[in-house]
Amino acid sequence: NAGVTQTPKFRILKIGQSMTLQCAQDMNHNYMYWYRQDPGMGLKLIYYSVGAGITDKGEVPNGYNVSRSTTEDFPLRLELAAPSQTSVYFCASRPPHGRGDNTGELFFGEGSRLTVL
Amino acid sequence: QKEVEQNSGPLSVPEGAIASLNCTYSDRVSQSFFWYRQYSGKSPELIMSIYSNGDKEDGRFTAQLNKASQYVSLLIRDSQPSDSATYLCAVKGGGATNKLIFGTGTLLAVQP
Repeated sequence: NAGVTQTPKFRILKIGQSMTLQCAQDMNHNYMYWYRQDPGMGLKLIYYSVGAGITDKGEVPNGYNVSRSTTEDFPLRLELAAPSQTSVYFCASRPPHGRGDNTGELFFGEGSRLTVL
Repeated sequence: QKEVEQNSGPLSVPEGAIASLNCTYSDRVSQSFFWYRQYSGKSPELIMSIYSNGDKEDGRFTAQLNKASQYVSLLIRDSQPSDSATYLCAVKGGGATNKLIFGTGTLLAVQP
């Protein structure tokens, strides 16, 4: 298993450009998440999904869009990039709860470092 | 009030000492609590989870939960330089929510 794969690892955008950060997992996990992490800060939840076709906003969804057409893929779209979106973006997934299992362990990708100039 | 709050540090402890990391949360119905460790430039990794009031021990790590005080902590005994990292507290709300909200993290520096 490759786990959670994010692409690209690094990207520089100009203000106003758009791009999509790709995230794929091969663990058949229902739940997928997008977080951003600014320097010296914790993780802020952007969007999450509990399964194909279902997405929900997190703490900081403005300026982003997501889709979940398959269990495996959860791309994050940035429209009209702004300098405030300069950050490291982490995609994560976790399995559904099992019987008596309340695990919240997230499996993280390696991150995508985005700079908007 | 932030949903999950941590002291950003840095927390500096000598090698062999006990490091104590603290976290408070605002959602009273939160059910699940996690500590993640993040080395610089790396992804977070889960080190402890706790769901019931009291202590949970795993090797040198002990997580403590007090739901009445909305407080969760992580103790690291016999701290090693390799424990130097940012420790992130994460909270999953109660009920049907699947949000996992992180604190800002505490930077721990273990001095040899």
